[in-house]
Amino acid sequence: EAGVTQSPTHLIKTRGQQATLRCSPISGHTSVYWYQQALGLGLQFLLWYDEGEERNRGNFPPRFSGRQFPNYSSELNVNALELEDSALYLCASSLIGGSEKLFFGSGTQLSVL
Amino acid sequence: KQEVTQIPAALSVPEGENLVLNCSFTDSAIYNLQWFRQDPGKGLTSLLLIQSSQREQTSGRLNASLDKSSGRSTLYIAASQPGDSATYLCAAPTSGGYNKLIFGAGTRLAVHP
Repeated sequence: EAGVTQSPTHLIKTRGQQATLRCSPISGHTSVYWYQQALGLGLQFLLWYDEGEERNRGNFPPRFSGRQFPNYSSELNVNALELEDSALYLCASSLIGGSEKLFFGSGTQLSVL
Repeated sequence: KQEVTQIPAALSVPEGENLVLNCSFTDSAIYNLQWFRQDPGKGLTSLLLIQSSQREQTSGRLNASLDKSSGRSTLYIAASQPGDSATYLCAAPTSGGYNKLIFGAGTRLAVHP
């Protein structure tokens, strides 16, 4: 069974551009989470989607947004990129929202030049 | 506000040693705690999930315990191997937020032959 898949693996952008990151959850999982892992800052919660709705959001500016599609895959969009947005972006999924194990993808390494 | 601390930050041991990694959290009203492993530049692999009603969970050479009253969890690794070298992260839900996990900074483990 396929795990959580993320694309692209690496993404290089310049300041001010927009980045789109994609995530496909494990089959049967309805909840998708996005985390940012920047050097020196650890893992920070970004967004949680469940059944197509945004359920929770971390302390990030509105230029970080996303959506979940009917097939439960998800997209993270980062507008007006800044240098400090350079990080590993990790997507995770779980069977349902709640006290379930989180399964992570391998991440998208975003570099903003 | 949930805060998660991991001690030690780094550990270097010879192969075969039994190890204890520590995790402490400030809000004891958690319903579970998870331990993850992360290899350099990669995503997270879920190791163990301990529900609040449980005291410990075991998987192979790994054993994790949870003491909510003291706000502590430990990950015990028996007979360490070079392949165990990685960063180990614990994560607890934030207060009232089921799916907003707060991660510790991790313990970077190096097991040398």
